[in-house]
Amino acid sequence: DIQMTQSPSSLSASIGDSVSITCRASQGISIYLNWYQQKPGKAPKLLIYAASSLPSGVPSRFSGSGSGTDFTLTISGLQPEDCATYYCQQSYSTPRMYTFGQGTKVEIK
Amino acid sequence: QVHLVQSGAEVKKPGASVKVSCKASGYIFTNFGIHWVRQAPGQRLEWMGWINPANGETRYSQKFQDRVTITRDTSATTVYMDLSSLRSEDTALYYCARVVGLHDWFDPWGQGTLVTVSS
Repeated sequence: DIQMTQSPSSLSASIGDSVSITCRASQGISIYLNWYQQKPGKAPKLLIYAASSLPSGVPSRFSGSGSGTDFTLTISGLQPEDCATYYCQQSYSTPRMYTFGQGTKVEIK
Repeated sequence: QVHLVQSGAEVKKPGASVKVSCKASGYIFTNFGIHWVRQAPGQRLEWMGWINPANGETRYSQKFQDRVTITRDTSATTVYMDLSSLRSEDTALYYCARVVGLHDWFDPWGQGTLVTVSS
């Protein structure tokens, strides 16, 4: 199975800061990497797909990069509503077996 | 607008089974697969399985292979997830999600169904 490891597990930053979350796959997954945002008591919401594509309606302060084994989610200009847990997900395995990272909790200082 | 609406919370005893439903609306039901993902308290998201509503083809995580069954009713645009031989470790939020695109992203997700297993 492909294992996904996120770092850090949690972070605290000030409003307006840029923050980055990394996700590492245990083997190469091309750009079969998606990011989700989960707010407390809510279902996950798609944030980034195919490593770097932004769905309609997601603020442009969110961006994704990477390919192969190393990926990054960046929030440029942290806002109060960005307090959430962020998960990466790989969809590369054949047959498709989807695994998620352990999550990164983002808090405001 | 695309929506997935799940059935309500369940409380089950160990050894019992639970069936959670996921009703889809706002798109052509047979054009997109549906996945099930669960989240135990304080744990990461965990993929359980998938169904192709067009033909009923399924695929399951090895972890749940022996206990989970995913079915669909195309006339009701609803997918069902049946989990048997429940144990306390199955206490979790269960989500359905539509799979989209070449790189298989999940969008949207259902609101989640809490299943509590307790004697």
